[in-house]
Formats: sequence, structure tokens, C-alpha cells
Amino acid sequence: DAGITQSPRHKVTETGTPVTLRCHQTENHRYMYWYRQDPGHGLRLIHYSYGVKDTDKGEVSDGYSVSRSKTEDFLLTLESATSSQTSVYFCAITPGTYNEQFFGPGTRLTVL
Amino acid sequence: AQSVTQLDSHVSVSEGTPVLLRCNYSSSYSPSLFWYVQHPNKGLQLLLKYTSAATLVKGINGFEAEFKKSETSFHLTKPSAHMSDAAEYFCVVSASGGSYIPTFGRGTSLIVHP
Repeated sequence: DAGITQSPRHKVTETGTPVTLRCHQTENHRYMYWYRQDPGHGLRLIHYSYGVKDTDKGEVSDGYSVSRSKTEDFLLTLESATSSQTSVYFCAITPGTYNEQFFGPGTRLTVL
Repeated sequence: AQSVTQLDSHVSVSEGTPVLLRCNYSSSYSPSLFWYVQHPNKGLQLLLKYTSAATLVKGINGFEAEFKKSETSFHLTKPSAHMSDAAEYFCVVSASGGSYIPTFGRGTSLIVHP
């Protein structure tokens, strides 16, 4: 158990509504990541953080924003959800570049 | 810059036969390499990792991988497949040089027939 949780685990929402997903860690690791997983695409990086208030974009960041006001929490926000954002979202943490990532259980988001 | 290619999107084996999942990588720096497994509707779990120590790396559940710098490969093997090995497998490269972003392969789905 890597001490990483995600909430909610499942969510169904409607197009145009805002959605916030939460990732919480108890490991005090510096790096945190948000990925989305879709069939045929593997895991694609949305945003990542390398410290409190330090975040950067990944390869599929359009339509998403993030915030990290505390070491333990990394929030992913969909300002106005679209059907193309229906996916499974995974949070990951790692202490550093040469270290493995630890993944949360995932959040299944459906946008109708 | 770094990249990783998993050469097969699907691999099908019979229970008790060897498993080979192929991964090639490229990296401008000395890389760390990882294999993760994802069972249906689960998160990703680390199988094994290479971080410039021994080139033959042993992981959990009987899996191992060999780092071959000359071939830029990090193939995953297991001598005898078990039904419980059926899952998605991801090869990942992570390197120094300012990038703290691991790069994932697209995954290989391992199918195990009875």
C-alpha cells in the first residue's frame, strides 16, 4: 500500500459541468502526476507537479487544470466537462526520477 | 528526449509456455526502466525495475527482464505462464537530464489460454 487515494472512485456528470478529482498521498513525495487511460492509447500525462504550487503541462493538458496547495493533495479540474473527457484517471506519485511510480486506484469518469 | 516502443499490442500464449513481451527504448541519458502490470479494472503495479545495477532484473511473480544497451531493449520474460498473468503490461523509461516525466509504452495485452 503506497498510501495514495483518489476520490471519487466513480463519477457520472453532464457535459458543461465542472468536475474536480482529488489525489491524496501520505508519503510526502515531491512528484505527483495525473494520467488518463483510454483504450489503444495507454497512459497519457495530463499534468504533473514537482512541489507545492509547482505544476506543469503534460501531453494532453487542454481542458484540464490542476492545483497543489499542500504536499499531500493534487487536484485535477475539468472546468467544463466534455464527452471526450470520459476516461479512467490515474494519479501517481514518486520520490524522484530514478524511482518507480506508485499509482492510485483510479477514477472512472463518464461525461454524458 | 526519450521514447519507448512496445513491439506487440497483444501476445497470446498457452498456460505453462514461456512469455516474451518486447520493449525497445531510446534515451539521451542513462535510463531507468520499469515494467508495470495492470489487471482488469485495477491500478498499475510495479513488476520490476532497472536502475543501472545488474542487467538481469528479477521481479515479482517469476518475471524477469534483461537490459541490453547495445540493442536498446528491455524485454520481459517468464518461463511458464499462469492464467493469473493475463493482464496489460506497460514498459516505462525514465531518465535524468531535467525531465521528471516517465514515458509509457502503449501497453501489451497478455492473453493466456488454458
